[in-house]
Amino acid sequence: NAGVMQNPRHLVRRRGQEARLRCSPMKGHSHVYWYRQLPEEGLKFMVYLQKENIIDESGMPKERFSAEFPKEGPSILRIQQVVRGDSAAYFCASSPRPASQVTGELFFGEGSRLTVL
Amino acid sequence: DQQVKQNSPSLSVQEGRISILNCDYTNSMFDYFLWYKKYPAEGPTFLISISSIKDKNEDGRFTVFLNKSAKHLSLHIVPSQPGDSAVYFCAASTGNQFYFGTGTSLTVIP
Repeated sequence: NAGVMQNPRHLVRRRGQEARLRCSPMKGHSHVYWYRQLPEEGLKFMVYLQKENIIDESGMPKERFSAEFPKEGPSILRIQQVVRGDSAAYFCASSPRPASQVTGELFFGEGSRLTVL
Repeated sequence: DQQVKQNSPSLSVQEGRISILNCDYTNSMFDYFLWYKKYPAEGPTFLISISSIKDKNEDGRFTVFLNKSAKHLSLHIVPSQPGDSAVYFCAASTGNQFYFGTGTSLTVIP
């Protein structure tokens, strides 16, 4: 399966713990996007990364959330000291070109569902 | 601020009839528009897109219409099939971001 791979698919954390969500983009894609879908809501942009660079993090909460896309390995979305409001589905997408040049689709993973108890 | 809006959370259509899903946007700088389809417990998958320089794009049973003066986008599915039952998201892009609507859940009744 050469698609966008996200893991874990389901993650349960207690309040105050840390959550790490991983995303491996499609082969040949060096641009990664993270979106969050809260219950009964649409997909909200969080962050756009290239290899080793954060291009746009305007959708990321200012505290507790961070993202990286290292030279080697998957992109990681990290949520520290989780709260119940962080419970959501987190989707990763990738593209082969920069976002401004994407005239087609983003390729999405199946999502990671975080539940905070 | 919701820059892309889908005001109908759900839609039911008989098999074989036309499904029309609507989307409105507020940012006149959007230059590309897309529709995604999402099944439960899966990620969204791309369906069809349209550039802001066009007003119609067709792909098989799916047609997207763009009315820039009204800042309105619609997706027509004809004929509708039970397998089309899913949540449909419209999206718009400018620069680095893709903005998504809240989705419309389509149910095609056999």
